[in-house]
Amino acid sequence: AQSVTQLGSHVSVSEGALVLLRCNYSSSVPPYLFWYVQYPNQGLQLLLKYTTGATLVKGINGFEAEFKKSETSFHLTKPSAHMSDAAEYFCAVSPNSGYALNFGKGTSLLVTP
Amino acid sequence: NAGVTQTPKFQVLKTGQSMTLQCAQDMNHEYMSWYRQDPGMGLRLIHYSVGAGITDQGEVPNGYNVSRSTTEDFPLRLLSAAPSQTSVYFCASSYSRASGQETQYFGPGTRLLVL
Repeated sequence: AQSVTQLGSHVSVSEGALVLLRCNYSSSVPPYLFWYVQYPNQGLQLLLKYTTGATLVKGINGFEAEFKKSETSFHLTKPSAHMSDAAEYFCAVSPNSGYALNFGKGTSLLVTP
Repeated sequence: NAGVTQTPKFQVLKTGQSMTLQCAQDMNHEYMSWYRQDPGMGLRLIHYSVGAGITDQGEVPNGYNVSRSTTEDFPLRLLSAAPSQTSVYFCASSYSRASGQETQYFGPGTRLLVL
């Protein structure tokens, strides 16, 4: 079974600083990988996804993630944090032959002035 | 398109009561699913459906029933509510994997409190 580990349940950065949210997965074959964002009292919104092809994936709001098969990682980055980036971020995987998403436990991003 | 809609937004139940959480999508998606979100647990899959008339269990199916009589609707039934079912429930839908449009779209959620 595939699983996802998000390192750090809470991450705090200063406005303008680099954002790095870590995600590692366990899978015998490369899965499909996703990052979702959840703002307070809202549903989940897709930030970006990796299925096949280019390993550096660009998403919305200036976020990007790089799939590294050798490290089984899919870390999310943004060069410069904005106050509006404060939210809960979820990494998820699904098998390339199925639909179900396995979510990490989430990382709460706090952006300080 | 309205996307994925869920009703109600919030519900309070007493232990032992039953209710149905509604989910509808107007994107003609084949795949629909239900997740529950609990603090520090991420989202966990309850049930899913790959098309009308086809459903299957996810990670935490106990205490929940589903059916899929139409492509658009995927209701989640709580047969006898328990305090452990206090959670936020999300419905999601997507096209089939074969279409290459496998992104799952989430509804706004239903907050359920069982007393």
